[in-house]
Amino acid sequence: AQSVSQHNHHVILSEAASLELGCNYSYGGTVNLFWYVQYPGQHLQLLLKYFSGDPLVKGIKGFEAEFIKSKFSFNLRKPSVQWSDTAEYFCAVRLTGANNLFFGTGTRLTVIP
Amino acid sequence: ETGVTQSPTHLIKTRGQQVTLRCSSQSGHNTVSWYQQALGQGPQFIFQYYREEENGRGNFPPRFSGLQFPNYSSELNVNALELDDSALYLCASSLVQGSGNTIYFGEGSWLTVV
Repeated sequence: AQSVSQHNHHVILSEAASLELGCNYSYGGTVNLFWYVQYPGQHLQLLLKYFSGDPLVKGIKGFEAEFIKSKFSFNLRKPSVQWSDTAEYFCAVRLTGANNLFFGTGTRLTVIP
Repeated sequence: ETGVTQSPTHLIKTRGQQVTLRCSSQSGHNTVSWYQQALGQGPQFIFQYYREEENGRGNFPPRFSGLQFPNYSSELNVNALELDDSALYLCASSLVQGSGNTIYFGEGSWLTVV
């Protein structure tokens, strides 16, 4: 069965620190990959997505992610976090041609001013 | 702002009751999906509707059902509510079926079953 793993459940960083959140998936076929962010009390917001092409994708708010096919990974990165980045981050995978997203369990990021 | 609106935002129901949650999709989107997000978990796919027909379903029992209307609004119905149905229910819409499209989520409806 397809699965998405986010090994970091809660990450605490100081402002200006660099961020990397891990995401691994288990599926051998072609996939679309997404990172969503959920700020407290708000809807899921798309940070970035990968469908094909350059495996390094840039998203909103200075986030980027790198797709490494050999490692089945799609890690999220940001060089310098801000207090406003405090939120829950979800990695999601969609099998090509499928209708739905498989989500990881999420990583809660707390940024200390 | 995603253009996906859901109602109600919060509600409390008693075990055994039935509930209907509503979603208004982003204008022009012909595909709507529903997800259940339990506390501390990622969203789980319930089902999807495309042009008023269900065309994909996750691992949820038949007491979870839905409708999509010609104006692309949608309903999620849950019968015989159980305590474990307490969760955030998310509606998501997209323009076309399949790959290459972005999915936009609403803010969700918080359901508490007591």
